Amino acid sequence: RKEVEQDPGPFNVPEGATVAFNCTYSNSASQSFFWYRQDCRKEPKLLMSVYSSGNEDGRFTAQLNRASQYISLLIRDSKLSDSATYLCVVSSSNTGKLIFGQGTTLQVKP
Amino acid sequence: NAGVMQNPRHLVRRRGQEARLRCSPMKGHSHVYWYRQLPEEGLKFMVYLQKENIIDESGMPKERFSAEFPKEGPSILRIQQVVRGDSAAYFCASPPAGGFSGNTIYFGEGSWLTVV
Repeated sequence: RKEVEQDPGPFNVPEGATVAFNCTYSNSASQSFFWYRQDCRKEPKLLMSVYSSGNEDGRFTAQLNRASQYISLLIRDSKLSDSATYLCVVSSSNTGKLIFGQGTTLQVKP
Repeated sequence: NAGVMQNPRHLVRRRGQEARLRCSPMKGHSHVYWYRQLPEEGLKFMVYLQKENIIDESGMPKERFSAEFPKEGPSILRIQQVVRGDSAAYFCASPPAGGFSGNTIYFGEGSWLTVV
């Protein structure tokens, strides 16, 4: 079983749609959780950290459920520029070693 | 990429040759991570280095791969006798000054290795 699992997609949605991505992780000792965005042939960039209390940044909302070992990302009012691969990332050490999911590809169409 | 510099950006090697990838973290930072991303896959941790010290090499393949971060100069990921399966993007990353605090690390733009 992979340490971090995501549905690879692709998710094809029209502009303005709401889309949700889910992710599960296997290590219950995991301490830090993130969503990264990666454009084609580019480096991953931090989208947002994820907390149990949930956090929101504009159109993006992230949620963590430690009991279920489940992380989600909600994107409201999708834009063409949201088209990218979204990586679920977990850290279970205090050294910053990150465990990446395979990524979920989003394609927003006009 | 917060000043994490990688070179070369693109490298083509024939099977059996050596590949050297370089990474300079932000000025004054002394820790780097190396990650590999195979085609259509997520990033995989390879090694975590401090200057003159390997902290965690649990993700490094047992053979042909080595990494160093000398007191002076960039960190180097060295792949000997490359094979087609080594074709991938290799990303270097650096934590913020003061070390990882549970927030984020910053990635360089990556080095794309193609083995022909």
